[in-house]
Amino acid sequence: QLQLQESRPGLVKPSETLSLTCTVSGGSISSSTYFWGWIRQPPGKGLEWIGSGSYSGSTYYNPSLENRVTISVDTSKNQFSLWLTSVTAADTAVYYCAELTPRVPTTWGQGTLVTVSS
Amino acid sequence: EIVLTQSPVTLSLSPGERATLSCRASQSVSSNYLAWFQQKPGQAPRLLIFGASNRATGIPDTFSGSGSGTDFILTISRLEPEDFAVYYCQQYGSSPYTFGQGTKLEIK
Repeated sequence: QLQLQESRPGLVKPSETLSLTCTVSGGSISSSTYFWGWIRQPPGKGLEWIGSGSYSGSTYYNPSLENRVTISVDTSKNQFSLWLTSVTAADTAVYYCAELTPRVPTTWGQGTLVTVSS
Repeated sequence: EIVLTQSPVTLSLSPGERATLSCRASQSVSSNYLAWFQQKPGQAPRLLIFGASNRATGIPDTFSGSGSGTDFILTISRLEPEDFAVYYCQQYGSSPYTFGQGTKLEIK
């Protein structure tokens, strides 16, 4: 059974870059049926789609974040990553990684809280 | 961007009752690519319904989805204590994929 686990960066300073990794187990990240996505949820609020990527290099980003976000897939490590530059307090959220089959988030990681604060 | 509006914001019902949750889109959802998720406190969302009416693996048949175009419904035919949670709809037919603001289903 597919399982996903986010890394835990914890605290990020304003204007710096948020970096998260999601490790996939129980399946190959190179499967052509899978896209891999990131979704976030500010404390006490709803869900926001960040973007997705595939092992072939295709990426799709939310236009509201597109100039700050990068998603990449590392087949050698069975991981995929999120980078978000120039963070502010508004980027404080629980960040979830998810498997998309092919577009809907079917399997989710447990989520990791990222706090932006000096 | 497609805006999804869920109603009601809060729904108060008792175990054993029927729940009807609504999700309305600001424009037609392509191919009825509409999903429903359940989220409990401190947990990740769980996929319930995809393609507007298809139950995900392991989801009991007390959960059903219906609708097309701009109007979608999630029905829980008979509420169990573990069904009280927040429910989100999501459209994945047009980029950016968007979520509704959620409906909190609480025990009356």
